[in-house]
Amino acid sequence: EVQLVESGGGLVQPGGSLRLSCAASGFTVSSNFMTWVRQAPGKGLEWVSIIYSGGDTFYADSVKGRFTISRDNSKNTLYMQMNSLRAEDTAVYYCAFVGAYNWFDPWGQGTLVTVSS
Amino acid sequence: QTVVTQEPSFSVSPGGTVTLTCGLSSGSVSTSYYPSWYQQTPGQAPRTLIYSTNTRSSGVPDRFSGSILGNKAALTITGAQADDESDYYCVLYMGGGIWVFGGGTKLTVL
Repeated sequence: EVQLVESGGGLVQPGGSLRLSCAASGFTVSSNFMTWVRQAPGKGLEWVSIIYSGGDTFYADSVKGRFTISRDNSKNTLYMQMNSLRAEDTAVYYCAFVGAYNWFDPWGQGTLVTVSS
Repeated sequence: QTVVTQEPSFSVSPGGTVTLTCGLSSGSVSTSYYPSWYQQTPGQAPRTLIYSTNTRSSGVPDRFSGSILGNKAALTITGAQADDESDYYCVLYMGGGIWVFGGGTKLTVL
């Protein structure tokens, strides 16, 4: 069974850093496209970043220069390093596998990041 | 910056048919945008309904269908049921490694 489990969320002060993890089972992270999507409280979904199987990475303008997506092939885990965090980064962060036709499935259960002093 | 548009809310009667749309602030949606649709209930992760315009994800009932209607992607629910009351999101692939979600549609079944 393909499964994704996020972790690493929590409370962080503005300007701080946090690293999210997304552990995969049932498939190989390095062989696939993987993405992060977030959802602020009471708001809609927002695409954040993607890493291609070849290693290319892309970001939404809202996080470019502050967030870095990466993976550890030996741990079959996807990461999101988040620096210079702002209140508006407060959200549930989901990781997802990106299918061959540019769709997101499956999704993890999400991890909550709260940026507040 | 291109905005992906969705109706903020929609209402349908039980057993009725509703079509939700996904458009662009500038231009037309085509299959080249690989529109996909997701259903989300409060506190849950999104569930994939449709991908690549009109392909149903595994386990999705055939009363959910996707298409291109005019210059928008569309999600049609035929024979709406009470548990279809959810938020629905579309996402478009803009090219260059960038995806953009629509703002979502809150569907009420009553």
